[in-house]
Amino acid sequence: KQEVTQIPAALSVPEGENLVLNCSFTDSAIYNLQWFRQDPGKGLTSLLLIQSSQREQTSGRLNASLDKSSGRSTLYIAASQPGDSATYLCAVVGSQGNLIFGKGTKLSVKP
Amino acid sequence: DGGITQSPKYLFRKEGQNVTLSCEQNLNHDAMYWYRQDPGQGLRLIYYSQIVNDFQKGDIAEGYSVSREKKESFPLTVTSAQKNPTAFYLCASSPRTSPTGELFFGEGSRLTVL
Repeated sequence: KQEVTQIPAALSVPEGENLVLNCSFTDSAIYNLQWFRQDPGKGLTSLLLIQSSQREQTSGRLNASLDKSSGRSTLYIAASQPGDSATYLCAVVGSQGNLIFGKGTKLSVKP
Repeated sequence: DGGITQSPKYLFRKEGQNVTLSCEQNLNHDAMYWYRQDPGQGLRLIYYSQIVNDFQKGDIAEGYSVSREKKESFPLTVTSAQKNPTAFYLCASSPRTSPTGELFFGEGSRLTVL
C-alpha cells in the first residue's frame, strides 16, 4: 500500500532564506506527483505537477524534483517571503491510478 | 474565469439532518472528486466520478451519497448516518480519469454539526 510522508510537519524560517520541503513515498511505481499549497481555511492550489518520466519542474521561485528510485521528491523555494507561509502538500498517483496525499508541511516565513 | 465553485462555504447542521454540499465546475473536466480533511489526518477520498451517471466509493464513503447527472455538477449529501460529519469538505476535478491527472480544487465547505 502506497504511503506518502512529509517531514517536517512544521518549519519556521526567516524571510529571504532558501528552503527545501521533503516528500517520500513507499512505492516507486507512480504515474505522477503533484505539489499543492493550502492557506488556512482555503482549498488547495496546484503548484507543480511532475510526470513519472520527468526529473523536475520549475515555476518562478519554486522547483520540484522527483527521484522515483529512492521514492523522494523535494520542493525548493528560493528567497522565501512571508506570503509563502502556508501548508504545502504533496500527492502521488500510484499504480492503482488513485491519488495519495501526505499530511503536509506547515511553513511559516518570518519577516 | 474557469474554476470550481463550492457552496455553501460554511454550513451548520443539527444532528439527524441530511445536508447537501454543492460542487460545480466549468473546466470541462471528466473526473470529479470529494475529499474530507480533518486536522492531523490529511485528505481522505469520499467518492469520485469519472463520467456522467457513474461514481465509485472512495476510502470513507459510509454515511455519504453523491450523484453525477451533469458533467459540471457533483453534489455530496452528508446523511444522518455519518457518525462524525464535522469537517472541511473539498471538491476537486481533473481532466484525466485514470490514472488521475492534475487535480484542481474548490475553496471548500466547512460543515459543523451542532
